[in-house]
Amino acid sequence: KAGVTQTPRYLIKTRGQQVTLSCSPISGHRSVSWYQQTPGQGLQFLFEYFSETQRNKGNFPGRFSGRQFSNSRSEMNVSTLELGDSALYLCASSLVKASGQETQYFGPGTRLLVL
Amino acid sequence: LAKTTQPISMDSYEGQEVNITCSHNNIATNDYITWYQQFPSQGPRFIIQGYKTKVTNEVASLFIPADRKSSTLSLPRVSLSDTAVYYCLVGPSGGSYIPTFGRGTSLIVHP
Repeated sequence: KAGVTQTPRYLIKTRGQQVTLSCSPISGHRSVSWYQQTPGQGLQFLFEYFSETQRNKGNFPGRFSGRQFSNSRSEMNVSTLELGDSALYLCASSLVKASGQETQYFGPGTRLLVL
Repeated sequence: LAKTTQPISMDSYEGQEVNITCSHNNIATNDYITWYQQFPSQGPRFIIQGYKTKVTNEVASLFIPADRKSSTLSLPRVSLSDTAVYYCLVGPSGGSYIPTFGRGTSLIVHP
């Protein structure tokens, strides 16, 4: 089975611009989560989508948004980019079992640099 | 919200067994414990997951005591390629669950 794929892998933007990142989950996985990883703050949860609905949300400003499509693919958008948004953005997909057990599988990430 | 505590760093040598312990005192009844490995600039890679007692797969073992307030990841006979950051994650799926990874344990394996 193919793993989680993320595009693009690298991106350079300037302050004030917006960016859209894409994530394709493992086939059959309906849950997609997004994370931001920086040296200073570590791995932080942004939000999770399940069946096209945002199910959970971390403590990030409204400039960070996302969506999920009917095929479970997901996008996240960051508007009005700030220097501090430079980070590795990770997507993880999971198969939610009836028992509640869930294992997240991560993609390779998108490295965003804001100048 | 299940908070986890791990040692910041550990050193080992090739061929040794490494045990990394994670404390999760307020683990909930339906929480699972999952360990990930991460190399620089890559996404975390799933290693092992368990609920109680002992779980073993081809790369690691996970020991969980009866009270489930801690867990220990055991890596047998480490090699240089095991140098990475290891995270434990506690939680269920669904509901208002905010995955909290903590800072992880930086393992350095020396020749």
